[in-house]
Amino acid sequence: GQQLNQSPQSMFIQEGEDVSMNCTSSSIFNTWLWYKQDPGEGPVLLIALYKAGELTSNGRLTAQFGITRKDSFLNISASIPSDVGIYFCAGKMKTSYDKVIFGPGTSLSVIP
Amino acid sequence: DGGITQSPKYLFRKEGQNVTLSCEQNLNHDAMYWYRQDPGQGLRLIYYSQIVNDFQKGDIAEGYSVSREKKESFPLTVTSAQKNPTAFYLCASSILTYRVSYTGELFFGEGSRLTVL
Repeated sequence: GQQLNQSPQSMFIQEGEDVSMNCTSSSIFNTWLWYKQDPGEGPVLLIALYKAGELTSNGRLTAQFGITRKDSFLNISASIPSDVGIYFCAGKMKTSYDKVIFGPGTSLSVIP
Repeated sequence: DGGITQSPKYLFRKEGQNVTLSCEQNLNHDAMYWYRQDPGQGLRLIYYSQIVNDFQKGDIAEGYSVSREKKESFPLTVTSAQKNPTAFYLCASSILTYRVSYTGELFFGEGSRLTVL
């Protein structure tokens, strides 16, 4: 089946640093979604992207929909301890049914 | 408040037993999904349903069964045929693609952690 690759797999950063992570696919997607999961909870949507080249911000978070429609990246500026969690990218292809494919996640740890 | 409720949050099962995880939503969403999460593997789709009385297998449906008798409810049964059922299970819902207000967002419950003893 379709797969998404996320990198890096895990990150340990100092509070205040900027963070960058990305997601790639061998398939073309028409929607990219970035979710964050806190320990023991369900994922929550951070940013949704719908057009190739689109750049969208949500507070300290910025995400872009790659021009090729096969990749996306997420940046977090000035990280804080509550940014800790697992960040998932998810893609949706233009099909007749609503199947969303998730990447394996990037685990972020912030050192105060 | 609208949302998705999963129960139980923690469940222990002996080998050979079937267990059913509950998922209820009051968001009036048409589509519902079950995902399985294992460490380092992200979310894998088990089953999904776009309409009452209809559901489709996802990528890892073997050993699982579902029903969709009501729009609000999508229970998942983990059967004894599932070889490695210990995992974190997440239920989600969304509106359908053709709805004007569609954003692609999945709304997740808080998850159910199943442990086989």
